[in-house]
Amino acid sequence: AQSVTQLGSHVSVSEGALVLLRCNYSSSVPPYLFWYVQYPNQGLQLLLKYTSAATLVKGINGFEAEFKKSETSFHLTKPSAHMSDAAEYFCAVSGYNFNKFYFGSGTKLNVKP
Amino acid sequence: NAGVTQTPKFRVLKTGQSMTLLCAQDMNHEYMYWYRQDPGMGLRLIHYSVGEGTTAKGEVPDGYNVSRLKKQNFLLGLESAAPSQTSVYFCASSYSGEGIYEQYFGPGTRLTVT
Repeated sequence: AQSVTQLGSHVSVSEGALVLLRCNYSSSVPPYLFWYVQYPNQGLQLLLKYTSAATLVKGINGFEAEFKKSETSFHLTKPSAHMSDAAEYFCAVSGYNFNKFYFGSGTKLNVKP
Repeated sequence: NAGVTQTPKFRVLKTGQSMTLLCAQDMNHEYMYWYRQDPGMGLRLIHYSVGEGTTAKGEVPDGYNVSRLKKQNFLLGLESAAPSQTSVYFCASSYSGEGIYEQYFGPGTRLTVT
């Protein structure tokens, strides 16, 4: 069975600081991994996705994530946080099963001025 | 393109009442999904559909029914609402070609059952 664990339900950083949001997956087959962002009172938007083409994936708004098979991780990073990055972030895993996704519990990012 | 739309945006029900949530997409996607989002639990799949006229159970299907009579629409029904169904409901759709494709989400429906 596939599952996703996001370490830290809340992360707080200062504006301009590095953002690191952690995601570990459990999968019996090579996974397809995604990061989504949810702004208050909105639906989820895709940030980036890993589909085995490259281990370092660049997404929108300056975010990127690195797939590390040995660590079963897909952590999300951004070199310099902006106030507009404050949102909730979800890691998700999928496989060849009618495109069913399994979401982590989410990490709320707070950016302090 | 409107993408994925959901109606209504908000609803308050009393225990035992019924209602239907409507999801519509204009991207010609085959796959559609209903999720519920509860604090600290991420998104949990209620039901999904891989094409017009087909539906399947997800992770938390009890108390919900769905129908996909038209490709662009996916309806979620609550026959007898319970307070445990207070949640935010999201609809999503995705392409079904070779490979894995991201899901596109609607803005959500906030449901409160008293």
